[in-house]
Amino acid sequence: DIQMTQSPSTLSASVGDRVTITCRASQTITNWLAWYQQKQGKAPKLLIYKASNLARGVPSRFSAIESGTEFTLTISSLQPDDFATYYCQQYNYYPFTFGGGTKVEIK
Amino acid sequence: QVQLAESGGGVVQPGGSLRLSCAASGFTFNNFGIHWVRQAPGKGLEWVAVVWFDGSREYYAESVKGRFTISRDNSENTVFLQMHSLRGEDTAVYYCARSSAYDGSSFDSWGQGTLVTVSS
Repeated sequence: DIQMTQSPSTLSASVGDRVTITCRASQTITNWLAWYQQKQGKAPKLLIYKASNLARGVPSRFSAIESGTEFTLTISSLQPDDFATYYCQQYNYYPFTFGGGTKVEIK
Repeated sequence: QVQLAESGGGVVQPGGSLRLSCAASGFTFNNFGIHWVRQAPGKGLEWVAVVWFDGSREYYAESVKGRFTISRDNSENTVFLQMHSLRGEDTAVYYCARSSAYDGSSFDSWGQGTLVTVSS
């Protein structure tokens, strides 16, 4: 199975900060990677698909890039609505696998 | 709008069985694969299974293979997850999710989840 290593596991930040979350795949997954946002008690929400494509309705302060097996999600200016847990997911091979999650907390 | 609604969760004893349902609306159901994803209390997301748009293929996580079966009824716009030989580690919120319209594989719509508790 492909392992997705996500870091950091927790991130403390303030409104307006630039935030970066990294996900590394244990083998090549080309660009078959998604990012999800999950708020407490709610279902996850798709933010990014195919490594760098913004899902409809997602604010442009979210962006993502890929570099080989390393994938990065950036929030350019953290807003109050962005405090949540973020997960990466590879969907190049079954079983699909998620990263362990990054909880973005208020500093 | 796209809607997915899970049902069938509850408390079951170890070794027991349960069948979850995922009722879909707001889109052409038989054009999309449907996945089950679970989340144990306080833990991360774990992909469980997928059934293709036409029911022709299914894939499972190793942790549930041989115990869980995913199926769909395209006439009823519903996907099922039949769970047997349940264990404590199967305790989780179970979400169904749609293969996305963007790329056919990410998950662009999710249900609200149904809680399965395996306990004596």
